[in-house]
Amino acid sequence: QVQLQESGPGLVKPSETLSLTCAVSGGSISSSNWWSWVRQPPGKGLEWIGEIYPSGSTNYNPSLKSRVTISVDKSRNQFSLKLSSVTAADTAVYYCAREMLRFGELLKSFDCWGQGTLVTVSS
Amino acid sequence: EIVLTQSPGTLSLSPGERATLSCRASQSVSGNYLAWYQQKPGQAPRLLIYGASSRATGIPDRFSGSGSGTDFTLTISRLEPEDFAVFYCQQYGGSPLFTFGPGTKVDIK
Repeated sequence: QVQLQESGPGLVKPSETLSLTCAVSGGSISSSNWWSWVRQPPGKGLEWIGEIYPSGSTNYNPSLKSRVTISVDKSRNQFSLKLSSVTAADTAVYYCAREMLRFGELLKSFDCWGQGTLVTVSS
Repeated sequence: EIVLTQSPGTLSLSPGERATLSCRASQSVSGNYLAWYQQKPGQAPRLLIYGASSRATGIPDRFSGSGSGTDFTLTISRLEPEDFAVFYCQQYGGSPLFTFGPGTKVDIK
């Protein structure tokens, strides 16, 4: 079965760029799924950041769009998140997730999640 | 933006009791693209229900979802000890494409 694993620095300085990668194992990132990033500030709820299709098409949360870039590397079976000009408000657990696909239909929910990685923004 | 409101904020129940969680949307959810997740401390969310009423793979049948339009419900027929957690609803449509509710915590009475 497909497994997702986030990786990247756990500490980022204010005004710098947060960079994370999600490695996909047990399946191909080139399947007909959309792949998303979701974050969760400590003790708070979930916020969708954006998504990417294997072709490279993306959709972003308008509240973050000016600072977010999501990219895909099919040769490495992984996708990545870059969030620029970070502040303390960007401190969160960052999850990568797969949109559910069943019988060729995208079901607009997330059926596979990484374990999450905590990123702290602090000097 | 479609805003999701969940109630109650906290539900205190005993094992074996029935849990009823509500999720209300500020606008009609297109295609009934409404999902429910369970999250335990230190863990990623787990998909329970998609399409408002379809159980995800491996989810026990004590979990059921219902509703349409703007009002949705997650019911746990008989709470097991492992069910105590935070539950989130999530919708698709509008801008941003995906939004989550603030969550309902189900804790042990």
